[in-house]
Amino acid sequence: DAKTTQPPSMDCAEGRAANLPCNHSTISGNEYVYWYRQIHSQGPQYIIHGLKNNETNEMASLIITEDRKSSTLILPHATLRDTAVYYCIFLGGGADGLTFGKGTHLIIQP
Amino acid sequence: EADIYQTPRYLVIGTGKKITLECSQTMGHDKMYWYQQDPGMELHLIHYSYGVNSTEKGDLSSESTVSRIRTEHFPLTLESARPSHTSQYLCASSGGTLSYEQYFGPGTRLTVT
Repeated sequence: DAKTTQPPSMDCAEGRAANLPCNHSTISGNEYVYWYRQIHSQGPQYIIHGLKNNETNEMASLIITEDRKSSTLILPHATLRDTAVYYCIFLGGGADGLTFGKGTHLIIQP
Repeated sequence: EADIYQTPRYLVIGTGKKITLECSQTMGHDKMYWYQQDPGMELHLIHYSYGVNSTEKGDLSSESTVSRIRTEHFPLTLESARPSHTSQYLCASSGGTLSYEQYFGPGTRLTVT
């Protein structure tokens, strides 16, 4: 998987929106942006993915810039249980396994 | 919540023992995966399967083997455990055309003494 750039850590107050940025300037036209998170000692959890349109599901929203070189994951009302490492990856055809970088360690403060 | 299960959750075993880590999913997914992850480290794909009787090695070389006799079951076996096999083993599955929406089990934390 090609590289993405994410801040190593972020804090957010409980109840506020958490906005997690990701740069993926080398993404190509047929590659999707995926977000996963991993809570300590648990398996990764799929959150959301998108190609070029903004996406929303019950967990989060994904905002992708028009040039597709960056995106932002939004957790609208963060709770303590959202404390985790969040991974942004982009993937296209051919690859099977997921390879995560360092991700962003999001800490929700009470 | 995804319906993918792994047993045991924790296993401490002596060197040289044969072990099988179980993974089952009830979602009818064709694709299944085994990953290895050390604490605080990156995820590494060690095996995957596209369906029954299909198994492939992943990016990280592993001494383990897998089988896929039934769609829902993807066990991983170590014939002779060694301390270097100590790690967390995560099983995942995916359905549909895009294989990157993967659902993970809780993992098995293996310690070989």
